[in-house]
Amino acid sequence: GAGVSQSPSNKVTEKGKDVELRCDPISGHTALYWYRQSLGQGLEFLIYFQGNSAPDKSGLPSDRFSAERTGGSVSTLTIQRTQQEDSAVYLCASSLDLYPYEQYFGPGTRLTVT
Amino acid sequence: LAKTTQPISMDSYEGQEVNITCSHNNIATNDYITWYQQFPSQGPRFIIQGYKTKVTNEVASLFIPADRKSSTLSLPRVSLSDTAVYYCLVGDQAGTALIFGKGTTLSVSS
Repeated sequence: GAGVSQSPSNKVTEKGKDVELRCDPISGHTALYWYRQSLGQGLEFLIYFQGNSAPDKSGLPSDRFSAERTGGSVSTLTIQRTQQEDSAVYLCASSLDLYPYEQYFGPGTRLTVT
Repeated sequence: LAKTTQPISMDSYEGQEVNITCSHNNIATNDYITWYQQFPSQGPRFIIQGYKTKVTNEVASLFIPADRKSSTLSLPRVSLSDTAVYYCLVGDQAGTALIFGKGTTLSVSS
């Protein structure tokens, strides 16, 4: 079946602009996760959803970052007033339920802020 | 929050068995241990998960001693395509299990 998809695959934006990153999880997966990976670094956990609810938003790097999930499916990560340090690959994953269920990752969105 | 410690890097040759050990001294009773593999320019991929003793699947084995303070991922007869970063995660619920860290970079040579 279809895996996790993310769009766009690449995004180049100017500093100060807003961007929206989209994640389509595997159908039927109730849990959805967002991570960030900077060049040569490990994965930084940002936020997770159980259904449409995000119980803990403390992993978001700043108040410029927000995320939502609608209909228990598609999720959007929004970064307002982008900064150069926001440049990274943003990865989305979904799982049948919360950990310890296996997470399936999407291909990521490479964000470059110029 | 169970913190994990892994070697930064390991080198091996094709055909050898590779063992990567993860330390998690503060593991809690309900915590599971999960390993992921990541190739360059791809998202991580689940390898194996266990709670205690030994778990084996078609690609790897996971050895967990009785005290569960460490775990060892064993990759039999590695090939060049096993060159990747390997992450060890420990936890029992969302939020506590989602610390990937920098993982172990395994380089396999011919």
